[in-house]
Amino acid sequence: GQQLNQSPQSMFIQEGEDVSMNCTSSSIFNTWLWYKQDPGEGPVLLIALYKAGELTSNGRLTAQFGITRKDSFLNISASIPSDVGIYFCANEGTYKYIFGTGTRLKVLA
Amino acid sequence: NAGVMQNPRHLVRRRGQEARLRCSPMKGHSHVYWYRQLPEEGLKFMVYLQKENIIDESGMPKERFSAEFPKEGPSILRIQQVVRGDSAAYFCASSPPSRVASSGNTIYFGEGSWLTVV
Repeated sequence: GQQLNQSPQSMFIQEGEDVSMNCTSSSIFNTWLWYKQDPGEGPVLLIALYKAGELTSNGRLTAQFGITRKDSFLNISASIPSDVGIYFCANEGTYKYIFGTGTRLKVLA
Repeated sequence: NAGVMQNPRHLVRRRGQEARLRCSPMKGHSHVYWYRQLPEEGLKFMVYLQKENIIDESGMPKERFSAEFPKEGPSILRIQQVVRGDSAAYFCASSPPSRVASSGNTIYFGEGSWLTVV
């Protein structure tokens, strides 16, 4: 079945550092979505990408839709403690949205 | 503009009891999805519904679990005879009816219902 592989699975970084994570798939998709989940909360949409090659920013976050349409990356610049959480990539599969396994980010002050 | 509303936020049930989780989608959204998240794990798809129709229930356990999205009222995820392994966060999400990838055609989540089975 369709599967989204995220890496890294988890990371510890120092406050102020830049963060990069990516999501890959064996299937071609028409959209890429990035969500963040804070502890005890539901996932919140950060960035949505709809076109191969598209580069979109949302504050300190930047995401790109890979040219092959099989991957996407998310960058966070100058990380702060509130960036801690789980970041999920997602895509629309057959009749449902599928999610990556998540990247758990911990920011050390 | 209210988002996806789930209730209860937290629910404690004894083994063998029934759990009933409710979800009201965002205004204008007619597609509802239920996902389960076990502790320290990702989001697992359970079921996708449109009004009065189950479109895809491939992620639902075959027994004890059921879902509905009636013409009027919220979507309901029902778990009968709960067991400890059912303890998890259950998330509802909704999306608009258009299936064409475009700005705004994305899936939005509620804050979740945390089920604890004791």
